[in-house]
Amino acid sequence: ETGVTQSPTHLIKTRGQQVTLRCSSQSGHNTVSWYQQALGQGPQFIFQYYREEENGRGNFPPRFSGLQFPNYSSELNVNALELDDSALYLCASSLAPQGDYGYTFGSGTRLTVV
Amino acid sequence: AQTVTQSQPEMSVQEAETVTLSCTYDTSESDYYLFWYKQPPSRQMILVIRQEAYKQQNATENRFSVNFQKAAKSFSLKISDSQLGDAAMYFCAYRSVLYGNKLVFGAGTILRVKS
Repeated sequence: ETGVTQSPTHLIKTRGQQVTLRCSSQSGHNTVSWYQQALGQGPQFIFQYYREEENGRGNFPPRFSGLQFPNYSSELNVNALELDDSALYLCASSLAPQGDYGYTFGSGTRLTVV
Repeated sequence: AQTVTQSQPEMSVQEAETVTLSCTYDTSESDYYLFWYKQPPSRQMILVIRQEAYKQQNATENRFSVNFQKAAKSFSLKISDSQLGDAAMYFCAYRSVLYGNKLVFGAGTILRVKS
């Protein structure tokens, strides 16, 4: 049983650019949640995808968008990057949106915006 | 909106000793879940322990136990017989039962274990 895989592990982008982060969910999990973790802070919920539809969104602007594919993998897209978008982006998969059986987290993508 | 507060930015413990990490939360809901997650330098969030608010009994997982005080909205984590591998960032998190598709995290506590 594989866990959650995120790619890339690190990347550096320039302000104003666009970025796509990828997440492969754990085998059998149909739900993917994305979190942003700024340095020295706890993760903040961005949004969740369940069966290819957005199923809840945190307080993030529309330039943060996502997709979930039929195999339940997911992408997080951020347009018009700002310096404050520099953070660790964590993906978590679960058997159901409520995560009653637990969330499995990936090791994250460290995004630096310069 | 629910909030989670961890008032200890950093804690230290001697190997084999016991340490308690504090967490308080604010909610108007009566049914919810509380969690402690560990984040080592590998960055992957690992579930340590989970508590359901409607259960009176405090959860225990091996060396990890919680003190859940629902009226005081307090949820502390006790680590007994601390090991070097326990060194990590620890996050307290809340999940609503009604609106249960997200975790609300505290700011975290860095735990250092001295040998």
